[in-house]
Amino acid sequence: EVQLVESGGGLVKPGGSLRLSCAASGFTFSNAWMSWVRQAPGKGLEWVGRIKSKTDGGTTDYAAPVKGRFTISRDDSKNTLYLQMNSLKTEDTAVYYCTTPQEIYGDQVPFGYWGQGTLVTVSS
Amino acid sequence: SYELTQPPSVSVSPGQTARITCSGDALPKQYAYWYQQKPGQAPVLVIYKDSERPSGIPERFSGSSSGTTVTLTISGVQAEDEADYYCQSADSSGTFYVFGTGTKVTVL
Repeated sequence: EVQLVESGGGLVKPGGSLRLSCAASGFTFSNAWMSWVRQAPGKGLEWVGRIKSKTDGGTTDYAAPVKGRFTISRDDSKNTLYLQMNSLKTEDTAVYYCTTPQEIYGDQVPFGYWGQGTLVTVSS
Repeated sequence: SYELTQPPSVSVSPGQTARITCSGDALPKQYAYWYQQKPGQAPVLVIYKDSERPSGIPERFSGSSSGTTVTLTISGVQAEDEADYYCQSADSSGTFYVFGTGTKVTVL
């Protein structure tokens, strides 16, 4: 069974930093492309960014609102995904979800599995 | 940046049909996916590759595509279908993912 467990959320002041973690199990983490998706209170889903598997280059892509401030990384030896968030703004307040693709009859669904999310609140 | 546009809300009586549209310029080139989200829960996939239904999703959920618009149809709506629904796709290069603006389905 695929499990994704986020941690590291909390209250941080504007301009501050926070690192989220996502512990993965139930699938071959090193082969998986991993993404972060966030949802501000009462708002819609927003893709934050993605990291490819090392065999596919290990490269990252980010949504425009977080590019240059957020960094996604992975530790395949620990089956863990990270999101380093710097220069945080009040508008970064959201539940942050860790996601991974699901294979359905040979097709890769980009956001097939989701964690339960961790809340990040940016406020003075 | 690329956007997917959905109506903010759809209201439907039990047993009737709800249709939710999602419009985006790259939809003729990129597949669309649909997610259902209930309060306090993570999203759940209900349609993938425009019109495929994952196992475990009721047959009343279906998807279609025409040009720059994809549509999620819920036939014979039930009270348990009341939720927020999001389409999801990618830009024309396939590099950047995007979610639609979301549609709240209310069962009257």
